[in-house]
Amino acid sequence: QVHLVESGGGVVQPGKSLTLSCAASGFTFSSNPIHWVRQAPGKGLEWMAVISSNGRNADYADSVKGRFTISRDNSKNMVYVQMNTLRGDDTAVYYCAREGHYSRDSWGFLDYWGQGTLVTVSS
Amino acid sequence: QSALTQPASVSGSPGQSITISCSGTSSDVGGYDHVSWYQHHPDKAPKLIIYDVTTRPSGVSNRFSGSKSGNTASLTISGLQAEDEADYYCYSYTSSYTYVFGSGTEVTVL
Repeated sequence: QVHLVESGGGVVQPGKSLTLSCAASGFTFSSNPIHWVRQAPGKGLEWMAVISSNGRNADYADSVKGRFTISRDNSKNMVYVQMNTLRGDDTAVYYCAREGHYSRDSWGFLDYWGQGTLVTVSS
Repeated sequence: QSALTQPASVSGSPGQSITISCSGTSSDVGGYDHVSWYQHHPDKAPKLIIYDVTTRPSGVSNRFSGSKSGNTASLTISGLQAEDEADYYCYSYTSSYTYVFGSGTEVTVL
């Protein structure tokens, strides 16, 4: 059974850094891209970043580009997002999600999600 | 990377059908069939209910259906049930190799 578990959330001061982790199990981890999605309090879902299955390519939303870095370790079935220069508007629940890749033409959707980890940026 | 446009709220009585629209551009919704929909209950993980514009994952009720015309995708929920009350989001791949969610729609069952 596919399982994703986020960790590393907590309270952090503005301008500081934090790294979130996503532990995956139940599937061939190196076969699927992994995404990070967040939801600020009272707001909608916001796509943040994606890393390719082999870890060589990553893309980011403009809101986090240059501040956040996504990485993965396929030997450990782990994905990380290093978040630098955190701001108040980065306060959110952060989810990792597996991108489904069912065929050459069937991809780009998030078929399994973790339960999320809360990051609060506050002094 | 502005959010795709969805109505803020849609409501219906039990048994009725409702449709949620998701308006984008030719650089996202209109340009690709990589459009999906998610159901999100508070304090739970979002759940995939439609992918590739029209496909339902195994285990998702056939009361949910998706479609697309031009730059607008739509989610229809037929035979509305109390358990359908949740937030719904569309999601699309974009020409910038990124992804974008819709603004979200709160569905209320009257």
